[in-house]
Amino acid sequence: EPEVTQTPSHQVTQMGQEVILRCVPISNHLYFYWYRQILGQKVEFLVSFYNNEISEKSEIFDDQFSVERPDGSNFTLKIRSTKLEDSAMYFCASSGVSGQAGELFFGEGSRLTVL
Amino acid sequence: AQSVTQLDSHVSVSEGTPVLLRCNYSSSYSPSLFWYVQHPNKGLQLLLKYTSAATLVKGINGFEAEFKKSETSFHLTKPSAHMSDAAEYFCVVSGYTGTASKLTFGTGTRLQVTL
Repeated sequence: EPEVTQTPSHQVTQMGQEVILRCVPISNHLYFYWYRQILGQKVEFLVSFYNNEISEKSEIFDDQFSVERPDGSNFTLKIRSTKLEDSAMYFCASSGVSGQAGELFFGEGSRLTVL
Repeated sequence: AQSVTQLDSHVSVSEGTPVLLRCNYSSSYSPSLFWYVQHPNKGLQLLLKYTSAATLVKGINGFEAEFKKSETSFHLTKPSAHMSDAAEYFCVVSGYTGTASKLTFGTGTRLQVTL
C-alpha cells in the first residue's frame, strides 16, 4: 500500500539553527500539507501546497517557515531559525483529491527538539 | 469556521466491552467528518469518514460512527474493545480552501483498554 514517508524521524537542534524536514508524498497525489503537534496539544494545520505554490497557510506559518517541492518526489519544510517553541511533531500529508471530502494520508511524523 | 469538540480526554474500557468516543462538531455548511487514530510513535491513520452519504459509517477494525445532524454529533463506537485499540483518537472536520482540503482536529481522546 502506498504511503507517505518522512525523514528524519527525530532531529535535535540548537536554537537559531536551520532545519529541513523531508517528506515523500504518495506518488500520484497533487496536494501536500504540513501539520504539527506540540506535545500535549492539538494537531494544527500549517500549510497546504498545490501546483507548486502555497494554497493556504496558518498564522503559525510565518516568515521563518518555507515549503518547497524541489523535484518530482520530495516535499520539504524549512524552518530558517528555530525557536524553542518550534519543538513539536511535524506531520506531512498528501491527498489525491481536493474538496472537503479529500482524504489526507499522513506520514509517521518527524519529531523536532529545539534546545 | 468549523470546529470539533471531543468530550472526553481519556476513556478507559475493559477488553471485550463497548467503546464510545464522543465528538460534537460545529460547521457553517454540511461538513465532512473523519476519525483518525494515532498509535504510540506512529502516524495518523484514517479510521473512517463521513461525506454526506450514509449517516452510519463503517470503518476499519470494527469501528463505526453515526452522523447526527440534529445533535451535531459524530460519535465513534465499537461493540467490543481489543487491547490493540489502545491509542489516541482524533475527531476531525474538513474544510475546503478552494484548492485543497484543510483539516481541523479535536484535542484527542486517549483510549485505554484493560484486561
